[in-house]
Amino acid sequence: EVQLVESGGGLVKPGGSLRLSCAASGFTFSSYSMNWVRQAPGAGLEWVSSISSVSTYINYADSVKGRFTISRDNAKNSLYLQLNSLRADDTAVYYCARDISDLDYWGQGTLVTVSS
Amino acid sequence: SYELTQPSSVSVSPGQTARITCSGDIVAKKYVRWFQQKPGQAPVVVIYKDSERPSGIPERFSGSISGTTVTLTISGAQVEDESDYYCYSAADNRGVFGGGTKLTVL
Repeated sequence: EVQLVESGGGLVKPGGSLRLSCAASGFTFSSYSMNWVRQAPGAGLEWVSSISSVSTYINYADSVKGRFTISRDNAKNSLYLQLNSLRADDTAVYYCARDISDLDYWGQGTLVTVSS
Repeated sequence: SYELTQPSSVSVSPGQTARITCSGDIVAKKYVRWFQQKPGQAPVVVIYKDSERPSGIPERFSGSISGTTVTLTISGAQVEDESDYYCYSAADNRGVFGGGTKLTVL
């Protein structure tokens, strides 16, 4: 069974940093691109970032470029998102999802709240 | 960058047909999938590759494409279909969601 489990969310002050993790199981992690998608309270889904299977290709939404960094460790079946220079409008549930084209499996999400 | 445009809301009575559109240049170039999202839950795909239905999704859900517009059709909408629906596509390793459509069935 494919499972994606996010962790690392929490309350952080504006300008602060946070590192999100996504632990994957039930599939060959190193064969798939992975993504972060977020959803602000009461708002729609926003694609945030993607990383190809062996980290060759990395892309970001314009709203987070230069502040967020995606990475992965295929030996640990894990995906990461480093969030720096956080702003109030980064407050959202952050989901990890498999495969840029399909987003066929999602985690349950982890909540990031940016507030003073 | 690509954009996908959806109506913000659609409302139908139970048993009627609901149609949700999604428009954008990327539609003519890449496959689109539709997600259903209920409050507090992760999205679930209801249509992929424009018109394919995953196993376990009721037959009343269907998808179609015409030019730069894809349409999600729910034939004989049920109360339990009331949800937010999002179209999604990707190109050049960048994803894009439509703004979402709140479907009301009452």
